[in-house]
Amino acid sequence: NAGVTQTPKFQVLKTGQSMTLQCAQDMNHNSMYWYRQDPGMGLRLIYYSASEGTTDKGEVPNGYNVSRLNKREFSLRLESAAPSQTSVYFCASSFILAGDYSDEQYFGPGTRLTVT
Amino acid sequence: SQQGEEDPQALSIQEGENATMNCSYKTSINNLQWYRQNSGRGLVHLILIRSNEREKHSGRLRVTLDTSKKSSSLLITASRAADTASYFCATVAARSGAGSYQLTFGKGTKLSVIP
Repeated sequence: NAGVTQTPKFQVLKTGQSMTLQCAQDMNHNSMYWYRQDPGMGLRLIYYSASEGTTDKGEVPNGYNVSRLNKREFSLRLESAAPSQTSVYFCASSFILAGDYSDEQYFGPGTRLTVT
Repeated sequence: SQQGEEDPQALSIQEGENATMNCSYKTSINNLQWYRQNSGRGLVHLILIRSNEREKHSGRLRVTLDTSKKSSSLLITASRAADTASYFCATVAARSGAGSYQLTFGKGTKLSVIP
């Protein structure tokens, strides 16, 4: 099992460029998440997908879009990158049983994005 | 907004000593979790404690939860250099108006264990 994989590992963009961060999990999890981590800010939820076919906004969704392509894959798109989106992006997944919110999340290795 | 707040922000101890980190939160929770993050890596789940539990152990880890004070502590006993990492508490609480729950992370405690 690879767990949660993310591509690319590093990326440098110019302001206004677009890109898509890819995430895949092989644990048959139903829920997937995108976070950003900035120094001194902890992790902040951008978007999540509770199950295949559904997506919802998290704490900081502005400037991002997501696609839950299938049960395994959840992508994050920056349509017009801004320097404020310079961050480390983490994808995570979990298996949520109805009525049980243990929500132990498994994280990918992260994508380090710099927007100049 | 951050739900959990860890204290201290940074902690430096000698190998073999115990390390204690605290987490305070603001709203009622379903459960509280602790994660570890090694430098440059993703987070790894360590332990989960439910709101009706007061203490839980896993190897050298001991977690306590006091729901009346809305606080939790993580104790790492007999620390090792390999324990050097950032530690995050994360609370699972009801998502307002959505009928579901959300995991919210604190800002973390950076632990350095000196050999």
